[in-house]
Amino acid sequence: AQKVTQAQTEISVVEKEDVTLDCVYETRDTTYYLFWYKQPPSGELVFLIRRNSFDEQNEISGRYSWNFQKSTSSFNFTITASQVVDSAVYFCALSEIGQGAQKLVFGQGTRLTINP
Amino acid sequence: DGGITQSPKYLFRKEGQNVTLSCEQNLNHDAMYWYRQDPGQGLRLIYYSQIVNDFQKGDIAEGYSVSREKKESFPLTVTSAQKNPTAFYLCASSIAAPSSYEQYFGPGTRLTVT
Repeated sequence: AQKVTQAQTEISVVEKEDVTLDCVYETRDTTYYLFWYKQPPSGELVFLIRRNSFDEQNEISGRYSWNFQKSTSSFNFTITASQVVDSAVYFCALSEIGQGAQKLVFGQGTRLTINP
Repeated sequence: DGGITQSPKYLFRKEGQNVTLSCEQNLNHDAMYWYRQDPGQGLRLIYYSQIVNDFQKGDIAEGYSVSREKKESFPLTVTSAQKNPTAFYLCASSIAAPSSYEQYFGPGTRLTVT
């Protein structure tokens, strides 16, 4: 069975600090997708990134970067120079690759608080 | 603007009553999903639909029912058989095939049953 673990329940840092959110996953599939979503206080999940299991290149998008390591089944998310607007709950998710609808398995989420 | 609409944002019901949560999308997506979120927990899949007039149970379908009569609409009914219905409900949609596309989420409905 697929499983996603986000061991950090809550993280609190001061603005401008760098922060890394951990994500560890379990799957028997050889091909799969990994996702990160952001849930601000409004409640709506916002898509951040998708990574397939064939592509282990790290990705950077502005202050956000992602480190995918298949050997350790991890897909960590780093925010550089954090800002108050980054405060939210962040979810890591996993899906198998196939046709039709996509069944996502979510981690428990990490609540990130950026203090001014 | 394209997106997903869920209404209402807050819903209150008495125990023993069925309640239907609305979800409408104008993204022309084939697949739609319903998730439940409890405090401090991740999202759990209730039902999903790949195409009109077809839907499948997710991980926690007991006490819920859905219909998919139109591509744009995927209403969720929380029945009196659901033992603990108070939760935050999120609807999502995506391109159905291949299943590599991200899901787009609505703003959610917070249901309180007393």
